[in-house]
Amino acid sequence: EVQLVESGGGLVQPGGSLRLSCAASGFTFSSYAMSWVRQAPGKGLEWVSAISGSGGSTYYADSVKGRFTISRDNSKNTLYLQMNSLRAEDTAVYYCATLGSRGGHYMDVWGKGTTVTVSS
Amino acid sequence: QSALTQPASVSGSPGQSITISCTGTSSDVGGYNYVSWYQQHPGKAPKLMIYDVSKRPSGVSNRFSGSKSGNTASLTISGLQAEDEADYYCCSYAGSSTYWVFGGGTKLTVL
Repeated sequence: EVQLVESGGGLVQPGGSLRLSCAASGFTFSSYAMSWVRQAPGKGLEWVSAISGSGGSTYYADSVKGRFTISRDNSKNTLYLQMNSLRAEDTAVYYCATLGSRGGHYMDVWGKGTTVTVSS
Repeated sequence: QSALTQPASVSGSPGQSITISCTGTSSDVGGYNYVSWYQQHPGKAPKLMIYDVSKRPSGVSNRFSGSKSGNTASLTISGLQAEDEADYYCCSYAGSSTYWVFGGGTKLTVL
């Protein structure tokens, strides 16, 4: 069974840092591009970042560019999101998701999410 | 403000059909056949329902269908069931600068 489990969320002060992890199982992790999507409380979905299967290509939304870094360790089947210079507006549930197979332009399997709260 | 425009809410009675629209621009919905739709129940993760405008993943009921005309995509749910009550989000690939954009979401109420 394909499974994604996020961790690393929590309460952090504005300007602080946090690293999210997404542990993958049930599929060949390195064969799939991966993505992070977030959802602020009571709001809609927002795409945050994506990374190719090899990790050689990364993509970011303008709202996080220069502050967030996506990476992956294919030997550990784990996706990461390093979040620096956090702002109140980064408060959200962060989901990791596989992108569709063979270069699919959609988020296929989703994790249950991890909650990030940026507040003093 | 979301990049794609969806109605805030739609409703229908069991057995009826409803359609949710998703309007973008020629830079996203109209420019690519990469529209996807997600269902989200309260407190749960989103679930892929439609991809590439009209393709259904394995396991998704054939009561769900997708289409696109110009800059507007649509999700149709036929034979409404109580379990269909959820939030629905459209998403479109928007090219190698913006990448992906979502709609603001539509709350479906089954009366």
